[in-house]
Amino acid sequence: NAGVTQTPKFQVLKTGQSMTLQCAQDMNHNSMYWYRQDPGMGLRLIYYSASEGTTDKGEVPNGYNVSRLNKREFSLRLESAAPSQTSVYFCASSERAGHTDTQYFGPGTRLTVL
Amino acid sequence: GENVEQHPSTLSVQEGDSAVIKCTYSDSASNYFPWYKQELGKRPQLIIDIRSNVGEKKDQRIAVTLNKTAKHFSLHITETQPEDSAVYFCAAGAGGTSYGKLTFGQGTILTVHP
Repeated sequence: NAGVTQTPKFQVLKTGQSMTLQCAQDMNHNSMYWYRQDPGMGLRLIYYSASEGTTDKGEVPNGYNVSRLNKREFSLRLESAAPSQTSVYFCASSERAGHTDTQYFGPGTRLTVL
Repeated sequence: GENVEQHPSTLSVQEGDSAVIKCTYSDSASNYFPWYKQELGKRPQLIIDIRSNVGEKKDQRIAVTLNKTAKHFSLHITETQPEDSAVYFCAAGAGGTSYGKLTFGQGTILTVHP
């Protein structure tokens, strides 16, 4: 099992460009999450999907959109990138919807917006 | 929403010493308290967790304690080794209408000197 995978690993964008971060899990998990990690601020939840077909905002959703494409895949889109979105982005998944199960993280995407 | 405060932000110890990291949370509905370890450039990985019906949990050199009345929980690492050097994050979560979302602390950079 690959667990949680993310693409790309690194990306450099110019202000105003758009891009989609991809995430997939092969553990048959129901819930998936997108976090951003900035120095000194821990991991902050951007969006989550409690189960296939549902998505909801987390703590810092502004400037982002998500799509739960199917049970395996959960993508994060930046429509018009800003320097404030320079960060490391982690996708995570957990087994049961609505329960506090262990979250398994992907390897991360390091995004720089110039 | 939930707020998690973590202290200290940095911790430096000598090999063989103990290390203690403390977290407080605000939402009395939180019932799940995991700890994640993140090595440099890697993904966060769960090292231990505790649920609200338990006061203490141990796994070899690591232990977590929970005081629900005071809304705080702590990570204890004994006989520290250089490979324990990493960033440690606490988190708090609740099931039900919170859908298993986690709120993370700001992180503690632990350095173990040989």
